[in-house]
Amino acid sequence: SQQGEEDPQALSIQEGENATMNCSYKTSINNLQWYRQNSGRGLVHLILIRSNEREKHSGRLRVTLDTSKKSSSLLITASRAADTASYFCASISSGSARQLTFGSGTQLTVLP
Amino acid sequence: DSGVTQTPKHLITATGQRVTLRCSPRSGDLSVYWYQQSLDQGLQFLIHYYNGEERAKGNILERFSAQQFPDLHSELNLSSLELGDSALYFCASSVAGQGQTEAFFGQGTRLTVV
Repeated sequence: SQQGEEDPQALSIQEGENATMNCSYKTSINNLQWYRQNSGRGLVHLILIRSNEREKHSGRLRVTLDTSKKSSSLLITASRAADTASYFCASISSGSARQLTFGSGTQLTVLP
Repeated sequence: DSGVTQTPKHLITATGQRVTLRCSPRSGDLSVYWYQQSLDQGLQFLIHYYNGEERAKGNILERFSAQQFPDLHSELNLSSLELGDSALYFCASSVAGQGQTEAFFGQGTRLTVV
C-alpha cells in the first residue's frame, strides 16, 4: 500500500517556471523525504524534513510540511529541462514494521 | 554515483527459473533495503536488513528471499519466476535504520521474465 500519494500525477511546464508537487500521507510521521528518479534510474534523495519543521530549503528546492493536514509540498523554482524526472515523497508507515514507503510519484516534464 | 552497487544491471530469464540479485551498500552503511518497481504497482518495499538481521518485511512474496552477509552486502533471491515478476529491483542503503536518514539507491537490476 502507498503511504503517500502525490498530486498531480503529471506536470508539464516551461523552463523558468516554478513547479509545485504535493504529497499526502496517512499516518503520523517522524520525517518526510523527497526523492527524484530519472527515467529507469535509481532514486536520488533530495531533502528530508522532520515532523517538527514546517519549511526547509535546499538550493532551488523548497519543501513545506503540514502535519495537521498530513501533507507536504515540493516547490522547484526557476525550473530547467534537466529537472525533468519523477518525484516521490516517502515516509515511515505506522506500526512495528517501520517501512520507508513511497508515494506514486509526480512525473515532471520541463519543456525548453 | 550513490556508492551503492547492484549487479547485474540487466537479467533476462525464463519462467520457473531462479535468479540472485546482489547489492553492495555504501561503505559504512549498516542498513540495506530492497524495493521492486513496476509500472502497475509503483515502488514497493520488499525487505530491510540492518547489520545482518532482518528488520522489516513488506510486500515480499514467499518465492522471494533475501539475506545480508557479515560483510554487509545483500542478496535477493527470486525463485519460480513468473511473468509478473518482471520489474526494476532496487537496493538502497543508509547509515541508520529505515527512514531516520536519507537512503542511497543503486541503479537497479532490470529483470525480464520471458
